[in-house]
Amino acid sequence: AQSVTQLDSHVSVSEGTPVLLRCNYSSSYSPSLFWYVQHPNKGLQLLLKYTSAATLVKGINGFEAEFKKSETSFHLTKPSAHMSDAAEYFCVVILSGGYQKVTFGTGTKLQVIP
Amino acid sequence: NAGVTQTPKFQVLKTGQSMTLQCAQDMNHEYMSWYRQDPGMGLRLIHYSVGAGITDQGEVPNGYNVSRSTTEDFPLRLLSAAPSQTSVYFCASRPTGFNQPQHFGDGTRLSIL
Repeated sequence: AQSVTQLDSHVSVSEGTPVLLRCNYSSSYSPSLFWYVQHPNKGLQLLLKYTSAATLVKGINGFEAEFKKSETSFHLTKPSAHMSDAAEYFCVVILSGGYQKVTFGTGTKLQVIP
Repeated sequence: NAGVTQTPKFQVLKTGQSMTLQCAQDMNHEYMSWYRQDPGMGLRLIHYSVGAGITDQGEVPNGYNVSRSTTEDFPLRLLSAAPSQTSVYFCASRPTGFNQPQHFGDGTRLSIL
């Protein structure tokens, strides 16, 4: 079975400080991992994806994530938060084989304080 | 380039009414899915399809029907609306290949009174 755990339901940072949103997964197989962002009353937008080509993945808007197999983690980071980063972030896992089931984390709401 | 289009954006229904949420994609994706999003629960899979004529149930299928007669369209039907179905519904599509991300529509906000 696979699962995704987003360790924090809410994260609050000050504008200009680093952002760390944590994601751990459990999977018996090599996964594909994704981060999505959802701004209020909007759909989900892809931030970045990991597909085994490189462990450090760069995404849009200055976000990046590092795949650490030994820790089964795929944490999302950004060096300096901007007010426009306030949103909800979802970590997503897809396994190979069969239907390629998509599993979502429960989301982390990021608050950016001016 | 429209991507995934959902209609309507908002809908209010009375308990017991039926309706269809529309989803269309113009990217020729094989996989399509319907999710519902409720506070604190992330996205939960209702139904999915791996191609025209093929559908299957997700985590929370009760009270919903789907069909997939074409690659482009994947409507979601509420048979007899209940207040517990008040939610935001998202349709998503993606190509085959496990490293392919999903593309989402903007959602349908549905309230059942």
